[in-house]
Amino acid sequence: EIVMTQSPATLSVSPGERATLSCRASQSVSSNLAWYQQKPGQAPRLLIYSTSTRATGIPARFSGSGSGTEFTLTISSLQSEDFAVYYCQQYNNWPPYPFGQGTKLEIK
Amino acid sequence: EVRLVESGGVVVQPGGSLRLSCVASGFTFDDYAMHWVRQAPGKGLEWVSLIRWDGGGTYYADSVKGRFTISRDNSKNSLYLQMNSLRAEDTALYYCVKDFYYSGSGNYGFGDYWGQGTLVTISS
Repeated sequence: EIVMTQSPATLSVSPGERATLSCRASQSVSSNLAWYQQKPGQAPRLLIYSTSTRATGIPARFSGSGSGTEFTLTISSLQSEDFAVYYCQQYNNWPPYPFGQGTKLEIK
Repeated sequence: EVRLVESGGVVVQPGGSLRLSCVASGFTFDDYAMHWVRQAPGKGLEWVSLIRWDGGGTYYADSVKGRFTISRDNSKNSLYLQMNSLRAEDTALYYCVKDFYYSGSGNYGFGDYWGQGTLVTISS
């Protein structure tokens, strides 16, 4: 069973700066990786799929990269609405479809 | 507009049973697989179960296998989760999630639309 590990657990960044979030898979998931954003009291929202494809309506400041076991979500210039928890999920080898434990992006 | 509305979450005693429902609208329900994903209070996301677009295949996390049963009624645009032998660790917000891939693709994967969740609490 694949284990997804996200780092760091908490990331403190100032508005306007770049944020880089990492996700590692315990074995290769090819490019079958998705990223979600979750704000307090809300359901998760799909941001990125297939490692680097933005979902409908997602701003261009969100980008994804990587392959195999190492993946990155980058937010190029943080806006106030971007402070949230971010999860990665693999869908290459299933079931299950494990999520990472999440990275909380907080205002510095 | 895609809409997923869950219901059925209540407080149940350990060992009890519960059936969650999800009514879908805004898309052709029987063209997509559906998932249940849960989130314990203050914790991360945990995938629970997947059902194929036609109900012909079902998959479960090890933590619920043998206790939970996912099903769907395409005539009612509805998804269900029958939960038996409930444990304290099943306490969570349960989300109904639409799979991204159209049935004709032969793929299953991630969720592109999520409901707001229904809260299940297991407590004596």
